[in-house]
Amino acid sequence: GAVVSQHPSRVICKSGTSVKIECRSLDFQATTMFWYRQFPKQSLMLMATSNEGSKATYEQGVEKDKFLINHASLTLSTLTVTSAHPEDSSFYICSAVHIIYNEQFFGPGTRLTVL
Amino acid sequence: AQSVTQLGSHVSVSEGALVLLRCNYSSSVPPYLFWYVQYPNQGLQLLLKYTTGATLVKGINGFEAEFKKSETSFHLTKPSAHMSDAAEYFCAVSLMNTGFQKLVFGTGTRLLVSP
Repeated sequence: GAVVSQHPSRVICKSGTSVKIECRSLDFQATTMFWYRQFPKQSLMLMATSNEGSKATYEQGVEKDKFLINHASLTLSTLTVTSAHPEDSSFYICSAVHIIYNEQFFGPGTRLTVL
Repeated sequence: AQSVTQLGSHVSVSEGALVLLRCNYSSSVPPYLFWYVQYPNQGLQLLLKYTTGATLVKGINGFEAEFKKSETSFHLTKPSAHMSDAAEYFCAVSLMNTGFQKLVFGTGTRLLVSP
C-alpha cells in the first residue's frame, strides 16, 4: 500500500515548450503533496507544497508562474513547467502525505531534459 | 530554522563491514528525524524514522539509528554491509509541530560497497 506514481518517468522536450508531470497517490488520499527538484548528485530541494483545492505554496526563489501546480483531487497533483529552458533540466520528485498516517510517500521521479 | 548536515558525501565499506552514516541536525523545537534511501533514477524510500519515545530506532534492511539529543545527532548504522546497500542515503528533519510534513534534507551520502 501507499504507492505514489509519477508520469512520465522521462521526458525530453524542446526549449520553449511546456511539460506537464503528474503525481498520483494510487491507493490512498492525500490532501497535501510536495514537489521537489533534485540536481545531479545533490539533495532534494523543496519547490512547493500543493494542497487539494487551494493554491500551492512556493518556496523562496521558485517562480510560481514558471512552475504551475494544480492539486485538483485528493489523488492527483500536476506540475507544469512552462516555457522550459535547458536550465530546467532536472529530476523532479513528488511526495504525497497519507491522509490517515500523516506520512510522506515519494514517487519514483521524472527526469526532464530540455534541449 | 531546521537544517541537516551529513558528514561525508561518500562512504566506502567492504561487504560485511559496519556501515556508519553520520547525520547532525539543527532545530529550535523537538524534531522528527528520518533516513531515506535512493537508488539510481528512483524516488526515496523510508528506511526509518524517529518521532518520540525510544531513541534507538530500527528500520528496514537491518538499518538502525539512534537519536542523541545532547549531540544533536541521528547516525545511521548497519552491522554488516551488503552489496545491495549501495545507494544514496538522505537524512531529513521535520518540525514536530507540523508532523511529518515539510522535510528538510541533508546533502546525502553515497554508500559504496566493495566485494
